[in-house]
Amino acid sequence: KAGVTQTPRYLIKTRGQQVTLSCSPISGHRSVSWYQQTPGQGLQFLFEYFSETQRNKGNFPGRFSGRQFSNSRSEMNVSTLELGDSALYLCASSSDPQGSGSYNEQFFGPGTRLTVL
Amino acid sequence: AQSVTQLGSHVSVSEGALVLLRCNYSSSVPPYLFWYVQYPNQGLQLLLKYTSAATLVKGINGFEAEFKKSETSFHLTKPSAHMSDAAEYFCAAIRPSGNTPLVFGKGTRLSVIA
Repeated sequence: KAGVTQTPRYLIKTRGQQVTLSCSPISGHRSVSWYQQTPGQGLQFLFEYFSETQRNKGNFPGRFSGRQFSNSRSEMNVSTLELGDSALYLCASSSDPQGSGSYNEQFFGPGTRLTVL
Repeated sequence: AQSVTQLGSHVSVSEGALVLLRCNYSSSVPPYLFWYVQYPNQGLQLLLKYTSAATLVKGINGFEAEFKKSETSFHLTKPSAHMSDAAEYFCAAIRPSGNTPLVFGKGTRLSVIA
């Protein structure tokens, strides 16, 4: 079974631009979570989508948004990029077959490294 | 609110020596606990997890961890370090009831000296 894939792997943008990152979960997984990883703040939860609906949201400004498609693929978008948005963005998928939100093991992708100049 | 604290942002051990990475959690209800490993330019790989069954949990690559409720700890150990163990290690917690995200510690970078 193929793992979680994220595209692109590396991205360079300038301040003020916007960016869209993509995540394809493991086949059959309906929950997709996004995390931001920086040296200073560590791993911080951005949001989680399940069956095309945002189920949980972290403490990030509205410039960070996401969506999930009917095939469970997810995208996250960051508008008006700031230097501080430079980070590794990780996506994780889990099965949650009953849609209960109870814990199911999360499988992480390799991440997208975003550099904002 | 739930939190995870990893003591020591960087730990250095000699090859063959004991590895001990410390993790403490703060939660009103004992959470599920995890250790992840991250190699350079890669995502997170689950090493082991505690989900309220056995308190001593064995994981991959010879790692194990013990859940100690009285100490609110979940320290990761390996009897003999190998060069390939050099990586960043993250402890994480989640509420068993679900509907909450994983909360991560800041991470501990493990260096193994030949």
